[in-house]
Amino acid sequence: DAGITQSPRHKVTETGTPVTLRCHQTENHRYMYWYRQDPGHGLRLIHYSYGVKDTDKGEVSDGYSVSRSKTEDFLLTLESATSSQTSVYFCASTGTQNTEAFFGQGTRLTVV
Amino acid sequence: TQLLEQSPQFLSIQEGENLTVYCNSSSVFSSLQWYRQEPGEGPVLLVTVVTGGEVKKLKRLTFQFGDARKDSSLHITAAQPGDTGLYLCAETTSGTYKYIFGTGTRLKVLA
Repeated sequence: DAGITQSPRHKVTETGTPVTLRCHQTENHRYMYWYRQDPGHGLRLIHYSYGVKDTDKGEVSDGYSVSRSKTEDFLLTLESATSSQTSVYFCASTGTQNTEAFFGQGTRLTVV
Repeated sequence: TQLLEQSPQFLSIQEGENLTVYCNSSSVFSSLQWYRQEPGEGPVLLVTVVTGGEVKKLKRLTFQFGDARKDSSLHITAAQPGDTGLYLCAETTSGTYKYIFGTGTRLKVLA
């Protein structure tokens, strides 16, 4: 299994506060992704990265920003958390062959 | 934006029954993958299909890619409780390296 870890695994935060989720991979994968998972929606892409400092928006990027200063780390920031951002967040990565997306175990975020 | 619709959304069956789940797209897939996700875990790849009409088998699971590469199906023979999970199809958009996932089919197999 690819070494991809997310932190924290669970977080409860208040509306209006900033939150940063971290994804760390040890596979030297070039591509990394952040998804959110909500009932009935499968996985929806928030942002993705195709290299250090190279990122692009996904389908549900409003209210989120990302940064990738090193190959192994991809950070997702909710600048001002809202209740609609309560969700389970998954990070994934893949190498240049792009044959499979490897996922972390997810972060359950609750915004109260 | 590529839209992947999966059906049914939920499926609850008895052990030993057969089932088929579907993934349909609004446009042609470049390639298609099926993942399974168990509770509390991230999705794990089951198979990749690339060629229109392609059929792949993985033990009791049979995956088919439509001739026109706009749809795919997953058939499970003699389902077992261990097959319980969320089944997701995904497309990798050619040239962008984005993985776009479908809406998912949540399967529960009762013993």
